[in-house]
Amino acid sequence: GAGVSQSPRYKVAKRGQDVALRCDPISGHVSLFWYQQALGQGPEFLTYFQNEAQLDKSGLPSDRFFAERPEGSVSTLKIQRTQQEDSAVYLCASSWDRGYEQYFGPGTRLTVT
Amino acid sequence: GESVGLHLPTLSVQEGDNSIINCAYSNSASDYFIWYKQESGKGPQFIIDIRSNMDKRQGQRVTVLLNKTVKHLSLQIAATQPGDSAVYFCAEKVNDMRFGAGTRLTVKP
Repeated sequence: GAGVSQSPRYKVAKRGQDVALRCDPISGHVSLFWYQQALGQGPEFLTYFQNEAQLDKSGLPSDRFFAERPEGSVSTLKIQRTQQEDSAVYLCASSWDRGYEQYFGPGTRLTVT
Repeated sequence: GESVGLHLPTLSVQEGDNSIINCAYSNSASDYFIWYKQESGKGPQFIIDIRSNMDKRQGQRVTVLLNKTVKHLSLQIAATQPGDSAVYFCAEKVNDMRFGAGTRLTVKP
């Protein structure tokens, strides 16, 4: 079946621009996670949804980062007024429930110039 | 703060040899551990997991060992193949998944 998909795969933004990154999880997966992965590093947790509820946003680095999952399926990670330090790969993962194996999408590589 | 880390950033092995990738963790409350493989341009892919009530778990060509006394996790890959070349991450779960920095495995033909 279809896995987790993310779009766009690559995004170049000028500093100060807003960006929106989309995640389509595996159908039926209750849990959805966003991670930020800097070059040469492991993924860092950003936020977690159970259905449409954002239960944990402790990893969001600043109030410029905002995530939503209004219908409990597709999720969007929005970054306002992008800064160079926001350059990273943003990974989305979904799972049946929080304690189960997470399936990752291919990521969106964001470059802020 | 507590974190997951790795002993070696890179590992190079000959095709057919066994590979061992190590990971140290410091959160004694972690109850679930996963090894992920990440190829260039792709998201992490689940390899094998182990719960804290186990010491060893085997999959196809892979074995994970957990030593809770010294908070150490290892991934053993038998008969390493060129397709195994990737970055390997260990991750621990308390509430959320916390990843280590990764070890790059290179398999020489």
